[in-house]
Amino acid sequence: EVQLVESGGGLVQPGGSLRLSCAASGFTFSNYWMHWVRQAPGKGLVWVSRINTDESSTKYADSVKGRFTISRDNAKNTLYLQMNSLGAEDTAVYYCARDPAHCSGGTCSSSAFDYWGQGTLVTVSS
Amino acid sequence: EIVMTQSPATLSVSPGERVTLSCRASQSVHSNLAWYQQKPGQAPKLLIYGASTRATGIPARFSGSGSGTEFTLTISSLQSEDFALYYCQQYDNWPPWTFGHGTKVEI
Repeated sequence: EVQLVESGGGLVQPGGSLRLSCAASGFTFSNYWMHWVRQAPGKGLVWVSRINTDESSTKYADSVKGRFTISRDNAKNTLYLQMNSLGAEDTAVYYCARDPAHCSGGTCSSSAFDYWGQGTLVTVSS
Repeated sequence: EIVMTQSPATLSVSPGERVTLSCRASQSVHSNLAWYQQKPGQAPKLLIYGASTRATGIPARFSGSGSGTEFTLTISSLQSEDFALYYCQQYDNWPPWTFGHGTKVEI
């Protein structure tokens, strides 16, 4: 059974840092792109970041570029999101999600996010 | 950035009714369109990918159609467990991967 379990959320002061983790099981983690998606309270889903299978390529939403860093440890089947310089606008539930992307001849195609974790809440407040 | 627009924002229906949700992309996303269902306090769940393919375990009452910029999610006969938020998402042109703002299906 595919499982994604986020952890690391909590209350942090403005300007602070937090590191989220997403532990994967039930599938070959190293074969999949992984994403972080966030959802502010009462709001919709917003994509945050993506990492490819071997960490050679990362992508970020403009709103977090330069402040957040996505990484993964394929040996530990774990995805990370290092979040720095946090502001109130970063308050949200953060989900990790799996993307069974396809790559061929140097070209990659994303796919729908087929499995999601249960989310971890990050609250930025003084 | 491709903007995804969903309509209506809220749909008030009764169990057993046929429901149609719409999603429009600001430019063509071909068939690279997914629908997700989200219930309160839960993570999103993939319903449809490739605009029309049901994900594993999704009941046949859910169907998707469309291509290019216009897409539809249809629930043929609404069940009580289907009252939820529904999001469309494009994965054709990225980054960013973009979601619609959602349609709430309520009683």
